[in-house]
Amino acid sequence: GAVVSQHPSRVICKSGTSVKIECRSLDFQATTMFWYRQFPKQSLMLMATSNEGSKATYEQGVEKDKFLINHASLTLSTLTVTSAHPEDSSFYICSASLILDNEQFFGPGTRLTVL
Amino acid sequence: DQQVKQNSPSLSVQEGRISILNCDYTNSMFDYFLWYKKYPAEGPTFLISISSIKDKNEDGRFTVFLNKSAKHLSLHIVPSQPGDSAVYFCAASRGGDYKLSFGAGTTVTVRA
Repeated sequence: GAVVSQHPSRVICKSGTSVKIECRSLDFQATTMFWYRQFPKQSLMLMATSNEGSKATYEQGVEKDKFLINHASLTLSTLTVTSAHPEDSSFYICSASLILDNEQFFGPGTRLTVL
Repeated sequence: DQQVKQNSPSLSVQEGRISILNCDYTNSMFDYFLWYKKYPAEGPTFLISISSIKDKNEDGRFTVFLNKSAKHLSLHIVPSQPGDSAVYFCAASRGGDYKLSFGAGTTVTVRA
């Protein structure tokens, strides 16, 4: 099956620093990648949709200058949390869609803790 | 505003018995519904789906039922097995939109 990886799986950082999370589709080309955030005991909330080679589309309420998304190739998308604060601590998960297919394959997620 | 709700955060069931997971939605535009299964330290994996033109879809031990008038769907797992212990997410989308709206998940524990 289609495999999506994320790196790192866990990251702890100080308030004010920036953190980059990578999402890779390992065995397929993904035209579209999605970034979600999940707070404890809450649902996965879509943050943004990114298409290879174009700007990401952000959901309402998500600050595009704070959560920078780059989808430079068909196998890699990155999410950078800039000037992270404790309230950004969350579980971030990405998914990827195959070309011509809208089924989403999810990565294992990244646990971000901002001190 | 959470459009997909899973009101039971956890479910414990004995091995061999039926597990019933429930999901409610508020957006009448949703026309495609999915269930995902998630093990610890792994991403959600697709389990089964149903289109709004159907009221039932079956795949082996898993059956999803859709009641459009009640805006309710359920996932039945029978018989339940220890390997079914996981978090189950309900998700919905509308009209070919790739965006998924998720519920908060239900943690299923299958007791031996």
